[in-house]
Amino acid sequence: QKEVEQDPGPLSVPEGAIVSLNCTYSNSAFQYFMWYRQYSRKGPELLMYTYSSGNKEDGRFTAQVDKSSKYISLFIRDSQPSDSATYLCALREADVNYGQNFVFGPGTRLSVLP
Amino acid sequence: GAGVSQSPSNKVTEKGKDVELRCDPISGHTALYWYRQSLGQGLEFLIYFQGNSAPDKSGLPSDRFSAERTGGSVSTLTIQRTQQEDSAVYLCASRAGPETETQYFGPGTRLLVL
Repeated sequence: QKEVEQDPGPLSVPEGAIVSLNCTYSNSAFQYFMWYRQYSRKGPELLMYTYSSGNKEDGRFTAQVDKSSKYISLFIRDSQPSDSATYLCALREADVNYGQNFVFGPGTRLSVLP
Repeated sequence: GAGVSQSPSNKVTEKGKDVELRCDPISGHTALYWYRQSLGQGLEFLIYFQGNSAPDKSGLPSDRFSAERTGGSVSTLTIQRTQQEDSAVYLCASRAGPETETQYFGPGTRLLVL
């Protein structure tokens, strides 16, 4: 089993739809949870960051972490064609040891159709 | 200010040749990461530099891969005796320091080994 699983898609939705993107993980030591957005032929950019369990909202985006189920989600409301990109989850343990490696999911490709 | 830059943007090489990929991080960022991204795969961690400490090389796939960071700034990833399976996008990211979560990615170098 991979450390982080993510539905690769592609996921196609009509403009205005609510989108749900998800990652599951196996390492219970993960404490920091991030979502990155990657446009075609660009590097990823940080979209949302959450520490431990709970919800975080930023405009049309909501990140949700359920540590008991080892499940994280990104919701996009009123999706726009400009949201078309690959979305990667990234997780990190809360250790203070040197290394602080991030583990990335494989990404879900999203297309929002006008 | 300027973001993370990488060069070259694209590199085509023949199997068995050596290649050097360059990363210019954001000025003042003490942490620098190299990742590899293959089609349909997540970001694979390669190496991590933090300040003047010894780098975390735990992600390097073989001894053909090496990286250095000179003066705590520019980094070079070297792949010796390239193989076709080395074909991928190589991404560099910098981070202000271990106390921050945001990684800023460059646009990547697309490497094709023929």
